Amino acid sequence: DAGVIQSPRHEVTEMGQEVTLRCKPISGHDYLFWYRQTMMRGLELLIYFNNNVPIDDSGMPEDRFSAKMPNASFSTLKIQPSEPRDSAVYFCASSTSWEGSYEQYFGPGTRLTVT
Amino acid sequence: AQKITQTQPGMFVQEKEAVTLDCTYDTSDPSYGLFWYKQPSSGEMIFLIYQGSYDQQNATEGRYSLNFQKARKSANLVISASQLGDSAMYFCAGGTSYGKLTFGQGTILTVHP
Repeated sequence: DAGVIQSPRHEVTEMGQEVTLRCKPISGHDYLFWYRQTMMRGLELLIYFNNNVPIDDSGMPEDRFSAKMPNASFSTLKIQPSEPRDSAVYFCASSTSWEGSYEQYFGPGTRLTVT
Repeated sequence: AQKITQTQPGMFVQEKEAVTLDCTYDTSDPSYGLFWYKQPSSGEMIFLIYQGSYDQQNATEGRYSLNFQKARKSANLVISASQLGDSAMYFCAGGTSYGKLTFGQGTILTVHP
């Protein structure tokens, strides 16, 4: 399996611009998670989906952030408008409920820099 | 809600020696899972080992083992025969379902030759 795929790997944008991060989970996984990692706050869960349905978005910082999962193999995290404080590494992870344990498999992350 | 605490910001170990990374958890749920992840300097998050709260034996995966002490609410990671490639950030995480995982702040492990 190719693992969780994220694109782009690096994104540099100017404040006020729209940013879209993309994720393809592992085939057959029914859970998808979006995390943000910063030095100050560590690893934070932003939102997660089960069978393409958002289950918990309480970690989404504010209305500038939105996430969608139109099908089982694709999800997006959008920031509009972006701000310098959004600079972070954004991880997508997926897991399956079909196994006894429920470890999450992470993508390589997208390093976002907002200037 | 679950809380994960890693009290060691940094640890040092000599190559080929064993090292223990501490993790304590706090949850009121009777069923939960505990995980360890490795994050090398390249940035990816690598799953290492899982322990379920009902598992009778401590989990082991190659050189990794989990010292699970329910009464103390601790789930320490033991790395045997440390290698230079083990130098990384290590995160303990806990969850009570297939959904949310709560991560600790991490421990930076440095392996000296």
